[in-house]
Amino acid sequence: SQTIHQWPATLVQPVGSPLSLECTVEGTSNPNLYWYRQAAGRGLQLLFYSVGIGQISSEVPQNLSASRPQDRQFILSSKKLLLSDSGFYLCAWSGRYEQYFGPGTRLTVT
Amino acid sequence: QKEVEQDPGPLSVPEGAIVSLNCTYSNSAFQYFMWYRQYSRKGPELLMYTYSSGNKEDGRFTAQVDKSSKYISLFIRDSQPSDSATYLCAMRRNDGNNRKLIWGLGTSLAVNP
Repeated sequence: SQTIHQWPATLVQPVGSPLSLECTVEGTSNPNLYWYRQAAGRGLQLLFYSVGIGQISSEVPQNLSASRPQDRQFILSSKKLLLSDSGFYLCAWSGRYEQYFGPGTRLTVT
Repeated sequence: QKEVEQDPGPLSVPEGAIVSLNCTYSNSAFQYFMWYRQYSRKGPELLMYTYSSGNKEDGRFTAQVDKSSKYISLFIRDSQPSDSATYLCAMRRNDGNNRKLIWGLGTSLAVNP
């Protein structure tokens, strides 16, 4: 069966510090991968998606970037965090029709 | 106008009630429709998905799609306190390899014992 991992689960970072969130998927090959952000009490905002190694599409202009160095690894990064980057970050992979989510990383920028 | 509209609630019902959750959409090209449940501080969990119009039942949950009205529903029978969560609808077209989903904002549901 497929499993998706995200870490860390919780992160508190000062403004201006760098960020690296990692997501890995097990049990499937060549999945579509997605990064979402969910602000408190709001819906899911798609940040990036990837249909293959090295292929990244950005949905929203922002302070973040994404990379896919391996088939089942997806990384979300920032060089300098802003207060507005706080939120719940979710990684997902796509089945034939639907998406499956990881446990998420709660980021607080102070 | 957003592509997918969903009443954020909150919706509060007594245990055992039938719950009806709904989304409307504007893009007639949507073909796949999904419902997710999200507990507080957790990732969304897929409950059901349907293709095109019709009903689909899974235990206490029933999903309905009415493409003519651009309206989808999720019914929860015999609701339990453990059903208290946010319910998100999502949908997508049947083309393209990016398989992006368009999301509603979610409806917060509280089932009171």
